[in-house]
Amino acid sequence: NAGVTQTPKFRILKIGQSMTLQCTQDMNHNYMYWYRQDPGMGLKLIYYSVGAGITDKGEVPNGYNVSRSTTEDFPLRLELAAPSQTSVYFCASKRIGDDEQFFGPGTRLTVL
Amino acid sequence: QQQVKQSPQSLIVQKGGISIINCAYENTAFDYFPWYQQFPGKGPALLIAIRPDVSEKKEGRFTISFNKSAKQFSLHIMDSQPGDSATYFCAARTSYDKVIFGPGTSLSVIP
Repeated sequence: NAGVTQTPKFRILKIGQSMTLQCTQDMNHNYMYWYRQDPGMGLKLIYYSVGAGITDKGEVPNGYNVSRSTTEDFPLRLELAAPSQTSVYFCASKRIGDDEQFFGPGTRLTVL
Repeated sequence: QQQVKQSPQSLIVQKGGISIINCAYENTAFDYFPWYQQFPGKGPALLIAIRPDVSEKKEGRFTISFNKSAKQFSLHIMDSQPGDSATYFCAARTSYDKVIFGPGTSLSVIP
């Protein structure tokens, strides 16, 4: 099992550009999550999904969109990148009924 | 209150010493309290976790102490090793399996 994979690893965007952060898991997990991590701030939940076709907002959803058309994939979309979205983004997944979330390696995004 | 407080922000411990990280919460609906360990350039990984009906859980050199009445819990790392140097996050789970993370503690274990 590859676990949770994220692409790209690094990306630099200009203000106003858009991009999609990819997340894929091969563990057949129902639950998937997107977090952002800023220095000294821990991880903040952006969006989450409890299954294909079902998504909901987390603590900091503004400026982001998600979709979940398959169990495996949970892409995060930034439509109009802003410097405040400079962060490290982590995707995670979890099996329904289990406690542990499994995290991907992260995407480091810089918006200039 | 959907917040988890964590202290200290950073910690330096001698090899063989005890590392202690403290966390506090307000929401009594939290039902699961995990600790995550994160090495530079990596995603967080579950280290150890506890439920609120248990006062202590030990796994090897890592122990969680949980005080439900005080709404506080802590991580103790016994015989700390340089390989334990990482960032540690306490967390608490809410409804729909959402997890609220503390701000993190950067631990450095020096030889």
